[in-house]
Amino acid sequence: TQLLEQSPQFLSIQEGENLTVYCNSSSVFSSLQWYRQEPGEGPVLLVTVVTGGEVKKLKRLTFQFGDARKDSSLHITAAQPGDTGLYLCAGDNNDMRFGAGTRLTVKP
Amino acid sequence: GAVVSQHPSRVICKSGTSVKIECRSLDFQATTMFWYRQFPKQSLMLMATSNEGSKATYEQGVEKDKFLINHASLTLSTLTVTSAHPEDSSFYICSASVSGGNEQFFGPGTRLTVL
Repeated sequence: TQLLEQSPQFLSIQEGENLTVYCNSSSVFSSLQWYRQEPGEGPVLLVTVVTGGEVKKLKRLTFQFGDARKDSSLHITAAQPGDTGLYLCAGDNNDMRFGAGTRLTVKP
Repeated sequence: GAVVSQHPSRVICKSGTSVKIECRSLDFQATTMFWYRQFPKQSLMLMATSNEGSKATYEQGVEKDKFLINHASLTLSTLTVTSAHPEDSSFYICSASVSGGNEQFFGPGTRLTVL
């Protein structure tokens, strides 16, 4: 079983739509990170959240860390085709563990 | 800043041969480097964690004699896949972090194909 559960596993939307992806766990993390990975490349760090309840914004992306530091969400506003990719969350609990990812496709 | 490179980006080898993959931190000193394997359409699976100057810590199920990791300097770690077999074909990704940091910076990955 995955330490971190990501949902949905796949998401296909039209350009301009909003979306939210989730990262859930029964474990508490000292920090949680979100990455985006494009095919054939390594993951690129988007954000690190550390404090329970923390909200960080990166242009059209809004990241939230749950109050109990067990879960996180990523909300994208007005998605664009360039947002297409695999979104991975990773929790730091002495070791860094990755979720299975959400594969997002934004159609023009 | 925080650039990590990998070499080679792609390698094709015959079954039974050994392949070495290099991971370098270009503009920072990485006290810890991580090696991951990623199969198609799956997430990253941690193989091992290496700290400069000490033996790597392998995850359960990863054969340390098959996947040799050397972290001889603060900017270089190598992963050698010994006696590679077709089932070892995968995307291998390294990452690096600095002392006390909770962020990992990933290399671009190495696509290994074993014929």
